[in-house]
Amino acid sequence: AQRVTQPEKLLSVFKGAPVELKCNYSYSGSPELFWYVQYSRQRLQLLLRHISRESIKGFTADLNKGETSFHLKKPFAQEEDSAMYYCAPPGAPDKLIFGTGTRLQVFP
Amino acid sequence: NAGVMQNPRHLVRRRGQEARLRCSPMKGHSHVYWYRQLPEEGLKFMVYLQKENIIDESGMPKERFSAEFPKEGPSILRIQQVVRGDSAAYFCASSSQGNDNYGYTFGSGTRLTVV
Repeated sequence: AQRVTQPEKLLSVFKGAPVELKCNYSYSGSPELFWYVQYSRQRLQLLLRHISRESIKGFTADLNKGETSFHLKKPFAQEEDSAMYYCAPPGAPDKLIFGTGTRLQVFP
Repeated sequence: NAGVMQNPRHLVRRRGQEARLRCSPMKGHSHVYWYRQLPEEGLKFMVYLQKENIIDESGMPKERFSAEFPKEGPSILRIQQVVRGDSAAYFCASSSQGNDNYGYTFGSGTRLTVV
């Protein structure tokens, strides 16, 4: 079964500090991974797909097959980045199973 | 394209009543997923449906919960005889096909409060 682990429930940083939200996966085959973001009391939104290798709102995520990780990074956090972040593979084979999520708090 | 529409946004029910949550997928999407988000917890998969079929209900509680996605109309998540522990945000997502590499589109959720 495809699984992801987000070891941190809460990550607090000050504005301007670098951010790394951890995600480790464990399953065989070619992984397809996503990061979703949920701002306060809003719907989940797709933030990144690893296959697109794009940067959204300054966030990037690189798939590291050796470490089986897909950490989300941003060099300089902004207050508006405060949100809940979920890592997810596409499921086995047809449903999204999210990690437990990491709440990012960016203090001014 | 109105996106995934969920209603109501907020629902208050007394213990023992029934709750009906509706989800209209994006136009052209025939796959619907329901998730529950308990306070201060992550998203838990509940059920995956296609038109007139339940594909995977491995995340549904064994009792009181049911879901359907009829040929016409929205998908319905039904909770009978609600209890306080059912209070949560329920999110629906849709996709054009399972295992969609473009990700899923989520609705704004229904916040159920059981009093």
